[in-house]
Amino acid sequence: DQQVKQNSPSLSVQEGRISILNCDYTNSMFDYFLWYKKYPAEGPTFLISISSIKDKNEDGRFTVFLNKSAKHLSLHIVPSQPGDSAVYFCAASANSGAGSYQLTFGKGTKLSVIP
Amino acid sequence: SQTIHQWPATLVQPVGSPLSLECTVEGTSNPNLYWYRQAAGRGLQLLFYSVGIGQISSEVPQNLSASRPQDRQFILSSKKLLLSDSGFYLCAWGDRNEQYFGPGTRLTVT
Repeated sequence: DQQVKQNSPSLSVQEGRISILNCDYTNSMFDYFLWYKKYPAEGPTFLISISSIKDKNEDGRFTVFLNKSAKHLSLHIVPSQPGDSAVYFCAASANSGAGSYQLTFGKGTKLSVIP
Repeated sequence: SQTIHQWPATLVQPVGSPLSLECTVEGTSNPNLYWYRQAAGRGLQLLFYSVGIGQISSEVPQNLSASRPQDRQFILSSKKLLLSDSGFYLCAWGDRNEQYFGPGTRLTVT
């Protein structure tokens, strides 16, 4: 049972336009959400996060929106740049006790920004 | 600042051979440590995590094992590799909810 779902395996966007990456989750115990960016043959790098007490968090060109009632979050990139082309992973966390802070990842969405 | 190292970067091993991947973290004490695998076309699968020396929790039953002999060292091992063990292995250290990943090891089992 996949608790974090990224239903779009790929997305193509024109440079300068907005990229919107979507993520849905099923576990109501998740209370912290993160987005990671991954280039081929490299480890994922942390992009932005949001706590369940908020519905929006912004960092430069990146904004994450959280809709708890819909169990949905999205990452907006404005304006999109060719260097943003990568695989984006959505992740969610629920403190599982003993301080382990496990993350559950989606399968990723490959973003291609076309110059 | 914190740094996480993984080696080797790439590895090609025959089926049935042993495996040892090493991960070390600098610049932090008593971190939570994690091993993930990304198989082709799939997301990041948590394999093991550790909240302290000698404390290992396994998420997926398989022929892999993990050990944490020192505070900032995390080792992924196997006695006999399977073809299905091929993938990209990532070590991460955790700071509460956020995790920071190493560069990864590309393992190909032939």
